[in-house]
Amino acid sequence: KAGVTQTPRYLIKTRGQQVTLSCSPISGHRSVSWYQQTPGQGLQFLFEYFSETQRNKGNFPGRFSGRQFSNSRSEMNVSTLELGDSALYLCASQKQGRDTQYFGPGTRLTVL
Amino acid sequence: AQSVTQPDIHITVSEGASLELRCNYSYGATPYLFWYVQSPGQGLQLLLKYFSGDTLVQGIKGFEAEFKRSQSSFNLRKPSVHWSDAAEYFCAVGTDNAGNMLTFGGGTRLMVKP
Repeated sequence: KAGVTQTPRYLIKTRGQQVTLSCSPISGHRSVSWYQQTPGQGLQFLFEYFSETQRNKGNFPGRFSGRQFSNSRSEMNVSTLELGDSALYLCASQKQGRDTQYFGPGTRLTVL
Repeated sequence: AQSVTQPDIHITVSEGASLELRCNYSYGATPYLFWYVQSPGQGLQLLLKYFSGDTLVQGIKGFEAEFKRSQSSFNLRKPSVHWSDAAEYFCAVGTDNAGNMLTFGGGTRLMVKP
């Protein structure tokens, strides 16, 4: 069974631009969560989508948004990029409820 | 809200030596507990998990962890470390009240001496 895939793997943007990251969950998994990983703040939860609905949201500004499609694929968008948005963005999928989250390889975003 | 503490930022052990990585959590009820490992530039790989039942759980690559409710701990152990175990290890907690949100500890970077 294929794992969680994320595209692109690497991205370089400049301040003020916007970016869209994509995540394809494991087949059959309906929940997709996004995390931001930085050296200073560690791993922080961004949001979770289940059946195309945002179920949970972390403490991030409104510049961070996401959506989920009917096939469970998810995208996250960051508008008006800031230098501090440089991070590894990880996507994780799980079936539902009490289950393991399986992580993708991440998208490394660099903001110049 | 739940929180996770990994007291050791860096640990260095000799190859073949035993390993214990500490994890303490804060949560009023029984959480779900996970250990993940991350190699440089990679995503997170699940080592093991605890939801309920037997408090000693076995994972992949010869790792095990023990849930101790009285100490709010979920320490990771391995009897004999291999050079390929060098990586960063993260403890995480999930709860029924937080949906599918995981709260992660700060991580412990493991270095293995030959």
